[in-house]
Amino acid sequence: ELKVEQNPLFLSMQEGKNYTIYCNYSTTSDRLYWYRQDPGKSLESLFVLLSNGAVKQEGRLMASLDTKARLSTLHITAAVHDLSATYFCAVDMIHQAGTALIFGKGTTLSVSS
Amino acid sequence: ETGVTQTPRHLVMGMTNKKSLKCEQHLGHNAMYWYKQSAKKPLELMFVYNFKEQTENNSVPSRFSPECPNSSHLFLHLHTLQPEDSALYLCASSQDGEVSTEAFFGQGTRLTVV
Repeated sequence: ELKVEQNPLFLSMQEGKNYTIYCNYSTTSDRLYWYRQDPGKSLESLFVLLSNGAVKQEGRLMASLDTKARLSTLHITAAVHDLSATYFCAVDMIHQAGTALIFGKGTTLSVSS
Repeated sequence: ETGVTQTPRHLVMGMTNKKSLKCEQHLGHNAMYWYKQSAKKPLELMFVYNFKEQTENNSVPSRFSPECPNSSHLFLHLHTLQPEDSALYLCASSQDGEVSTEAFFGQGTRLTVV
């Protein structure tokens, strides 16, 4: 059974400080995805990581992938309030005729001043 | 319209009712998905359709019945639901078979079973 584990599940951040979210998965997939979900809203794609060593950055967020360790990290630099949301990582599950994404439980970030 | 559109956005139904959720994607994708998101559990994959064929049924109770008449439309028919079925139901689509299976989500249907 494919497992995707995120930690921490909750993170209270102070403005201006740096934090990291971890995503471990149990399959040999070399593709990993990060999504953001605001309260009451749907999921928005943030990053698509397609190979070992892939690194993507957007603003204060940087995601990386280590397929050998089956680990992805989402690094937050100098947290600001508008980063408050729930962040999910997801991995491809290969089934009989295609693929689908399996998600972690999500990490809820709260930024306070 | 662009992206993935779900209707209705909110639905309240009794346990004896029959209702349907609708999803339409305007992205030209070949795969569509239903996910369930509840407070107690993470995003759960329910059904997968590739090229209109259902290829995955993730042990979902038969009171949920999916239908995919073409690659752009996906329905979830609901009947005799239970209160624990109350959740946010998300539809997504992707271009399966490509390098990435990045999924694009609709806004979701917030379902309350009373």
